[in-house]
This record gives sequence, C-alpha cells and structure tokens, in this order.
Amino acid sequence: AQSVTQLGSHVSVSEGALVLLRCNYSSSVPPYLFWYVQYPNQGLQLLLKYTSAATLVKGINGFEAEFKKSETSFHLTKPSAHMSDAAEYFCAVSRYGNNRLAFGKGNQVVVIP
Amino acid sequence: KAGVTQTPRYLIKTRGQQVTLSCSPISGHRSVSWYQQTPGQGLQFLFEYFSETQRNKGNFPGRFSGRQFSNSRSEMNVSTLELGDSALYLCASRPGSGNQETQYFGPGTRLLVL
Repeated sequence: AQSVTQLGSHVSVSEGALVLLRCNYSSSVPPYLFWYVQYPNQGLQLLLKYTSAATLVKGINGFEAEFKKSETSFHLTKPSAHMSDAAEYFCAVSRYGNNRLAFGKGNQVVVIP
Repeated sequence: KAGVTQTPRYLIKTRGQQVTLSCSPISGHRSVSWYQQTPGQGLQFLFEYFSETQRNKGNFPGRFSGRQFSNSRSEMNVSTLELGDSALYLCASRPGSGNQETQYFGPGTRLLVL
C-alpha cells in the first residue's frame, strides 16, 4: 500500500516569507511523486514531479521540492511567498504497477499581507 | 492544445436519481482517470480507462461506473444517488499508461445531491 502524509491542513505564511509544505510517503518501492495546486473552483495543476532523475526538482511559479529517500520525504518550498500563492496544495504518489495517484489531505495556504 | 474539459460543471440531483458526467481528454491522450474530492475524504481514485478498457478501480460501490469511447472521451455514471455522493468529480488524462506521466486535470463537475 502507498500513502501520503501532509501535516497541518492550514498553513499561514507572510508575504515574502518562506513557504514550506511537508510531504512524507510510505511505499515499498521507489515511487513517483507529484505536487499539485488547486485554486478555488478549479481543477488541479501540476507544480512539479519527481521521477527518479534529479533529487532536487524545480517547478512552476518558483516552487521546488527535494526527494530524500532516507527520510521518505518530498517537501515543497518557495523562497518568497506571493499573494497569488494562496491555494490548496496536494502531494501525490504513484508507483510502478499501480496507475492511480494517492493524494495527501492537502495544505490550504493563506498568505498574509 | 485544449485542456481537459468536463461537462456539466455544476449539477443538482435528488436522492435516488442517477447522473452521468462527461470528460473529454487532451487530444492524443489515451488514458482517463476519475477522482472524487470531498472535504472529509479528500481526493480518492475512482477508476482509470485506457483504450476503452478499465485498468484500475478504486474502493467505491458498484453504483459508480464508467466507460471510455474510441475517441478516448469518458463518462462516469452514478446510480441511486446518495447524499454522500455530493462532491467535486475530477477527470484527468495522460498520454499513455506510464506511472511517471503527468495527469492533467479538468476543472471538475460539482455534484450536489439533495
């Protein structure tokens, strides 16, 4: 079985401050990992993904994430938060032989001016 | 390329009715997956279709079914609707069947069951 843990359903961050969203996965084999963002009344948009190439993955809108196998983590960061980053963020995992995405519970990010 | 489109965007039904949701994938994509999103359960996988065949199914009752047509468009059907079926239903498409491939999501169909 595979699962994803995202701690802290709501995350508040000041504009210009570091955004850090934590994601830990459990998987018996190396997984593929994804971060998606969802704006109100919209579907999910891919921010970045890890597919066993580079462990540091850069995505859109200034986000990046680092795959750490020893910690089974794939935390998402952005150096400086912008008001437009207010949204819900989901970490997801899939692995070879299983075509479904398993999602974490999500982090609702609020950016404080 | 146009993105994934879903129709209708909003739907209100009453308990006991059935509903059909439609999804048109990105041109050239052969795989379509469906997910249910609710505040309590989050995002849950329903099923995946590839070249008109169901390849994977989530842990949902048989009231939830789907199909895929030769042009890769997909429909999902929910029969005998229950209040708990109120949710945002998301469709996602990808080119083939690789797990590393990005799934591109549509805007969803918001279903309200009264």
